[in-house]
Amino acid sequence: EIVLTQSPGTLSLSPGERATLSCRASQSVSSSYLAWYQQKPGQAPRLLIYDASSRATGIPDRFSGSGSGTDFTLTISRLEPEDFAVYYCQQYGDSMVAFGGGTKVEIQ
Amino acid sequence: QVQLVQSGAELRKPGASVRVSCKASGYTFTSYGINWVRQAPGQGLEYMGWISGYNGNTNYAQKFQGRVTMTRDTATNTAYMDLRSLSSDDTAVYYCARSGGYSYGQYYQGMDVWGQGTTVTVSS
Repeated sequence: EIVLTQSPGTLSLSPGERATLSCRASQSVSSSYLAWYQQKPGQAPRLLIYDASSRATGIPDRFSGSGSGTDFTLTISRLEPEDFAVYYCQQYGDSMVAFGGGTKVEIQ
Repeated sequence: QVQLVQSGAELRKPGASVRVSCKASGYTFTSYGINWVRQAPGQGLEYMGWISGYNGNTNYAQKFQGRVTMTRDTATNTAYMDLRSLSSDDTAVYYCARSGGYSYGQYYQGMDVWGQGTTVTVSS
């Protein structure tokens, strides 16, 4: 079973700054089948990125995903006030689909 | 518009079972799968499994094997998640979410449409 470890646990930044979130897998994720989600309090998650680097429909281009193998990154180029939330990665490269533990991006 | 609408909140006693429904609209139900994901209070997301809208094939997370059953009704475009032998550890918000027509791999492409969530509380 692939275990996903997200870091840091909490990221304290100001609006306009760049955010870099990491997702590390315990084994290689097949064909970079990895997604990123954003979740705000009291809301369902929202798909941001799939297949490691493809933006989902309607997602602003300040969100980008990269990586392969065991190391993946979600980058938010310039944080907007609405971007402060919790972010989760998810691997679906094999039948044992799993989420990482999440990274909270908070206002500094 | 494309949406998933879930059934209302449930309160169960330990040892009981619960069924959560997820009604799809605005898309071809049989062309996609439905995932179930839960979130305990203050915790992260936990994947429970997937069911094909096309043929009912399932892929359950190992943790829930033997305790969960996912079904679907193509006549009403509704997916169901049954969870048995409930304990207080099952207290959580349960989400259904749409993904591609395979349980993983190339055609999965993440969960792009989510239900509003159903709160299940297990308490004596």
